[in-house]
Amino acid sequence: NAGVTQTPKFRVLKTGQSMTLLCAQDMNHEYMYWYRQDPGMGLRLIHYSVGEGTTAKGEVPDGYNVSRLKKQNFLLGLESAAPSQTSVYFCASSYWGLSRGTGELFFGEGSRLTVL
Amino acid sequence: LAKTTQPISMDSYEGQEVNITCSHNNIATNDYITWYQQFPSQGPRFIIQGYKTKVTNEVASLFIPADRKSSTLSLPRVSLSDTAVYYCLVGDKNNAGNMLTFGGGTRLMVKP
Repeated sequence: NAGVTQTPKFRVLKTGQSMTLLCAQDMNHEYMYWYRQDPGMGLRLIHYSVGEGTTAKGEVPDGYNVSRLKKQNFLLGLESAAPSQTSVYFCASSYWGLSRGTGELFFGEGSRLTVL
Repeated sequence: LAKTTQPISMDSYEGQEVNITCSHNNIATNDYITWYQQFPSQGPRFIIQGYKTKVTNEVASLFIPADRKSSTLSLPRVSLSDTAVYYCLVGDKNNAGNMLTFGGGTRLMVKP
């Protein structure tokens, strides 16, 4: 099993460009999350999804959109990239939330995005 | 959401026991306490979870006092490879739409 796979792993954008980050998980998890991590900082939740076709806002949703058309995929979109969105983006998934078991999060390796 | 407070950094030496404390004064009845470990350039990895008293697994112990307003992650006999950032999370087990919030974490440096 690959677990959680993020693509691309690195990307450089110019201000105003758009892009989409793809997260794919092969563990049949219901819950998926997108976080961003700035240098030396903790992780901040951008958006999350509790099932196919559902999404919800996290702590820092502005400037991002997400979609969960298929259970195994969670897409994060930047419509008009800004230098403030330069960060490392992590996707995570869990079988359920804490409501069943530990709700352990499984993370991808991260996607490093630079906006010039 | 219960807010968590941890020390920003800690230093230790190989072979020592390390205790990292997390404060969560407004923890709710349904909240569980979970700890994650993050190495540079990697996503966090689950270490341990508990609700009250003590939980132990193959890598760590988690101590939670009766009032549950704090918790302590204990790493026995650390090695250089335990150098990482450790995050304490508090979340509602009964909330199906649970948002999992990471604070700043504690940066542990293990020295030879």
